[in-house]
Amino acid sequence: DGGITQSPKYLFRKEGQNVTLSCEQNLNHDAMYWYRQDPGQGLRLIYYSQIVNDFQKGDIAEGYSVSREKKESFPLTVTSAQKNPTAFYLCASSKGQGAYEQYFGPGTRLTVT
Amino acid sequence: AQTVTQSQPEMSVQEAETVTLSCTYDTSESDYYLFWYKQPPSRQMILVIRQEAYKQQNATENRFSVNFQKAAKSFSLKISDSQLGDAAMYFCAYRSANNYGQNFVFGPGTRLSVLP
Repeated sequence: DGGITQSPKYLFRKEGQNVTLSCEQNLNHDAMYWYRQDPGQGLRLIYYSQIVNDFQKGDIAEGYSVSREKKESFPLTVTSAQKNPTAFYLCASSKGQGAYEQYFGPGTRLTVT
Repeated sequence: AQTVTQSQPEMSVQEAETVTLSCTYDTSESDYYLFWYKQPPSRQMILVIRQEAYKQQNATENRFSVNFQKAAKSFSLKISDSQLGDAAMYFCAYRSANNYGQNFVFGPGTRLSVLP
């Protein structure tokens, strides 16, 4: 079945440690996205990538980094510079520009203590 | 920059009844797309319905329909014959058709409860 996978579902880290969240898609989509969701808030864009080896900062990129070495993969690293990293992280992909919706992964809940 | 507003943080509806969720947006563009997404307790985001701004006809998907008022920049979602499985967060989203770098802009969401 085609879709987006994110692993793990729950992730726990100590403060000061970098952590990488995985996102893989087999939909052959060009564009991939990372969002952060906090309680009572909508989705905020962290980073996005329209093509391989290219990515752009979203609204809240500080303290995060990404790579896009393969079309299928778009990992997100939450660095120790991110002041409040505990959140729910959603990865999404879409065919590209146009009326194409985003498909979302199941999300990763990151807790940093 | 575009913004999306959902003025109802929470709504409730009786099972089998109809409910309308509001969404307004702000843009200077004439060509764009609008979406409603559903996020149930599992937190998996699911597309409910899509509307192209150049289409005057309101989109419909089974029990879900929209009232798209382009001049008023309004995009409400109507759920008919509400079911318990409709209980979820609903997000309205905007996407530019002209700006390649412009991505999805989401509203803050409306939490819908369905009462048996």
